[in-house]
Amino acid sequence: AAGVIQSPRHLIKEKRETATLKCYPIPRHDTVYWYQQGPGQDPQFLISFYEKMQSDKGSIPDRFSAQQFSDYHSELNMSSLELGDSALYFCASSLYSGAGGYTFGSGTRLTVV
Amino acid sequence: QQQVKQSPQSLIVQKGGISIINCAYENTAFDYFPWYQQFPGKGPALLIAIRPDVSEKKEGRFTISFNKSAKQFSLHIMDSQPGDSATYFCAAVSESNFGNEKLTFGTGTRLTIIP
Repeated sequence: AAGVIQSPRHLIKEKRETATLKCYPIPRHDTVYWYQQGPGQDPQFLISFYEKMQSDKGSIPDRFSAQQFSDYHSELNMSSLELGDSALYFCASSLYSGAGGYTFGSGTRLTVV
Repeated sequence: QQQVKQSPQSLIVQKGGISIINCAYENTAFDYFPWYQQFPGKGPALLIAIRPDVSEKKEGRFTISFNKSAKQFSLHIMDSQPGDSATYFCAAVSESNFGNEKLTFGTGTRLTIIP
């Protein structure tokens, strides 16, 4: 069965650089969520999209932005990277209908040096 | 402020034993409570979930017990195996609250099953 695909799997950037993370949800899933997980931490919600519109916003820094495209894939853009942005970034997708089926991707490990 | 509190932070259980992880929540708008299993470097994977209209759900060796009045729920892993060693997160979500369906995670429990 198709899963949530994230790319790249690993990314190394220097301070003040820009990074773009991509997420391809499970086919027919209409909602995408982005989470950030620091070492030894629980995943923290960043932002979500339903039918290409932002549906909720969490602790996402102003330096970050995201969008969902017409094919439902989503991109998280991160600018002016800081050392503290180093983390695992997960994307999850679900059906808004409330089936409760949140499926996570394998994540992108971002390292800022 | 942690909306979903999870304990213990770490747990060591002998093979064949019962692993028990507890969670408590405050927000009565939560209406779906999943548990996730996460291996190092991997994304959280849905293990089992429950809605507040039932008090217990069992799937294989995994059981969720839910106490709505106390706003507590727990995961029991029976006959724990070394392959169960992972970090477990409880979570809660308000699916009926449009625009607020994000998962709120507990702080995680690192489970180690020893032979």
